[in-house]
Amino acid sequence: AQRVTQPEKLLSVFKGAPVELKCNYSYSGSPELFWYVQYSRQRLQLLLRHISRESIKGFTADLNKGETSFHLKKPFAQEEDSAMYYCALSYGGATNKLIFGTGTLLAVQP
Amino acid sequence: NAGVTQTPKFRVLKTGQSMTLLCAQDMNHEYMYWYRQDPGMGLRLIHYSVGEGTTAKGEVPDGYNVSRLKKQNFLLGLESAAPSQTSVYFCASRTDRGRNQPQHFGDGTRLSIL
Repeated sequence: AQRVTQPEKLLSVFKGAPVELKCNYSYSGSPELFWYVQYSRQRLQLLLRHISRESIKGFTADLNKGETSFHLKKPFAQEEDSAMYYCALSYGGATNKLIFGTGTLLAVQP
Repeated sequence: NAGVTQTPKFRVLKTGQSMTLLCAQDMNHEYMYWYRQDPGMGLRLIHYSVGEGTTAKGEVPDGYNVSRLKKQNFLLGLESAAPSQTSVYFCASRTDRGRNQPQHFGDGTRLSIL
């Protein structure tokens, strides 16, 4: 069965420090992975998808099929990055259902 | 551009009462989804729809019913609310055009069952 694991509930870093939010997945098919972010008092929104291989707000994520990981990275954290981050896996073929990890709260200290 | 709109935003119910949560999207999306979010558990899929008139069960469908009579609306019903259904409910929609398209979420409905 498919599964998404985010091992850290909370990650606290200082402004300017590097950030890595971990995500591991289990899926028998070809994975489609996303990172969603929820800022305080805002709705859940897409941050990154693996197929795009893009950098958004300085964040990048690389799909590593060998390690079944999709870690989110940013070289220099900013206070405005503080938010809840969810890794999600799309499954179910055309129905494109999502299974979410439990989320990591990123707290960037000044 | 409203995107996905959920009503109500907050509601308190007594055990055994019924209610319906409304999700409306203005993006002409085919796919719509209902999730619940509980502390420490992330979002879990309750029901989903791949088009007007269709619905299907997700991971945690028990105690809920849904309807998609119009393409833009997806209703989530609780026939007899239980304290275990206290949660934050999120609706999402997605286009059916192309792979790797993201789901777009509403603001959520915070529901408390006493």
